[in-house]
Amino acid sequence: GAVVSQHPSWVICKSGTSVKIECRSLDFQATTMFWYRQFPKQSLMLMATSNEGSKATYEQGVEKDKFLINHASLTLSTLTVTSAHPEDSSFYICSASPLLGHRFYNEQFFGPGTRLTVL
Amino acid sequence: AQSVTQLGSHVSVSEGALVLLRCNYSSSVPPYLFWYVQYPNQGLQLLLKYTSAATLVKGINGFEAEFKKSETSFHLTKPSAHMSDAAEYLCAVGGGQNFVFGPGTRLSVLP
Repeated sequence: GAVVSQHPSWVICKSGTSVKIECRSLDFQATTMFWYRQFPKQSLMLMATSNEGSKATYEQGVEKDKFLINHASLTLSTLTVTSAHPEDSSFYICSASPLLGHRFYNEQFFGPGTRLTVL
Repeated sequence: AQSVTQLGSHVSVSEGALVLLRCNYSSSVPPYLFWYVQYPNQGLQLLLKYTSAATLVKGINGFEAEFKKSETSFHLTKPSAHMSDAAEYLCAVGGGQNFVFGPGTRLSVLP
């Protein structure tokens, strides 16, 4: 299989604090991981593309200093929401794409999502 | 550039009726096409995918989709809706590692 986990599944924090969300590929190595954001009743919006060992590529309109992405290994990427505010409350979903040579190389496998609520 | 449109943000069907969710795409390269289902507060579950093999693709839970190049479509169907099918359905086109999602269609199943 190709399983992706996210931790935590939900988090509540106070305004001004920082929150870290982990995304792990459990049974495959991923060169590239993606972070999406989903507002209620809306589709997924790509925030950034993260490649192992290099800086993330952010989509237009996404503040890179606010949404820090680290992809330190081929199985782990983290998204840190810095100085979170209520408008950052959302559902964050990561996905991972297997290495070249894997039979699912051209696909993305999605984590279960993290619900962030900022009070 | 790739894009996806899903006609109908909300579709309602009666239990036992045919489900038809529409997806049209544009792609400058031979596309990979996907349908995902998303239940409330959960991640995406892959229903089925087209990756240039058979044009009629069968997926999980009785769903299937047909790739029609001439119509640039990849509509999702199920012969008989079940209450448990009520969810959000997302169509996506991917080439390489770039995915573009459609806006989604919320399926309601009426008893």
